[in-house]
Amino acid sequence: SQTIHQWPATLVQPVGSPLSLECTVEGTSNPNLYWYRQAAGRGLQLLFYSVGIGQISSEVPQNLSASRPQDRQFILSSKKLLLSDSGFYLCAWGMSGYTFGSGTRLTVV
Amino acid sequence: GENVEQHPSTLSVQEGDSAVIKCTYSDSASNYFPWYKQELGKRPQLIIDIRSNVGEKKDQRIAVTLNKTAKHFSLHITETQPEDSAVYFCAAKQGADGLTFGKGTHLIIQP
Repeated sequence: SQTIHQWPATLVQPVGSPLSLECTVEGTSNPNLYWYRQAAGRGLQLLFYSVGIGQISSEVPQNLSASRPQDRQFILSSKKLLLSDSGFYLCAWGMSGYTFGSGTRLTVV
Repeated sequence: GENVEQHPSTLSVQEGDSAVIKCTYSDSASNYFPWYKQELGKRPQLIIDIRSNVGEKKDQRIAVTLNKTAKHFSLHITETQPEDSAVYFCAAKQGADGLTFGKGTHLIIQP
């Protein structure tokens, strides 16, 4: 069966520091992968999606970037975090109904 | 791009009553409409979905209806129970594009 792993679960980072969140999927090949952000008490905002290795589509211009170095690995990065980057980051995979990872709660201080 | 509106933002119903959450979408090319349930601090979980070639789908106490002409779809929960309390999100999708989510409905089941 397919599983999705996301880490870390919680992260507190100072403003201006770098960020790297990792997501991996097991049990499937060439999955569509997605990064979403959920601000406190708000909806889910699509940040990036990828339909294959090295293929990244950005939905929202910001200081975040994404990479897909391997078929089942999706990484969300930032060189310098802003306070507004705080939120709940969710990785997801799937063609139609997505399966979400357990999420990373990022607090930028 | 797609825009999904969801109403109401908060819904309080008595245990045992029915709850209805409504969504509208803007892109007539969207063809897939899932609903997610998110409990506090947890990941969203898919609870039911419908494709554009179907008008209604039911799974026990949960049903979803779709009106393609009006571009709206609804979630119906009957005989609500305390464990139904959560935030519910609707979404719409076309092809390989990412899901566009509504802003969510906080459903409160009053004992």
